Amino acid sequence: GAGVSQTPSNKVTEKGKYVELRCDPISGHTALYWYRQSLGQGPEFLIYFQGTGAADDSGLPNDRFFAVRPEGSVSTLKIQRTERGDSAVYLCASSLLGGTGANVLTFGAGSRLTVL
Amino acid sequence: TQLLEQSPQFLSIQEGENLTVYCNSSSVFSSLQWYRQEPGEGPVLLVTVVTGGEVKKLKRLTFQFGDARKDSSLHITAAQPGDTGLYLCAPGEGNTPLVFGKGTRLSVIA
Repeated sequence: GAGVSQTPSNKVTEKGKYVELRCDPISGHTALYWYRQSLGQGPEFLIYFQGTGAADDSGLPNDRFFAVRPEGSVSTLKIQRTERGDSAVYLCASSLLGGTGANVLTFGAGSRLTVL
Repeated sequence: TQLLEQSPQFLSIQEGENLTVYCNSSSVFSSLQWYRQEPGEGPVLLVTVVTGGEVKKLKRLTFQFGDARKDSSLHITAAQPGDTGLYLCAPGEGNTPLVFGKGTRLSVIA
């Protein structure tokens, strides 16, 4: 597609439930990133993929968070046993990697997760 | 992890005023990016600065990269309500994931 698409745009769930957030990157972008943004803060890095593999998952806060990108395109961020502190906007971005110069990310509009 | 400090954290000004926001670090960067994020949207790239001392202009926005490539500033002339948003900086270090500062939240009042 023309841009990075994220679904759902809003998700309200109850504490303890399982949630999946989907990201559809720009076609041909090899790298995909997940960030989490709390109110009034900058985006916090979670994980990034090069192709199908997670190149860096050092930002995942704990083992309740997991992400996959099985075919090197669409990615799903999975959160188990959600907690109220997981409430945030989850941003996805994609970029072309492999060239020289700075890494320019194109972001989606985000998925707002509210855990009650 | 490269720590970026952005200041001020919040800024509220009247339409037509000028302002400068800052992005500082103790690390040297090969390049630095500025993004703007509007409410309900993801961040959008404004500019990448690469060379120490470089100045780039984008209409009423002027970006400068410090000579030592450790800091950067963004100056807005005659601010407009459409400039309202969260301004983020991040080092654009090759293929590594971007680590953002906390941002400066700008509100321009008509």
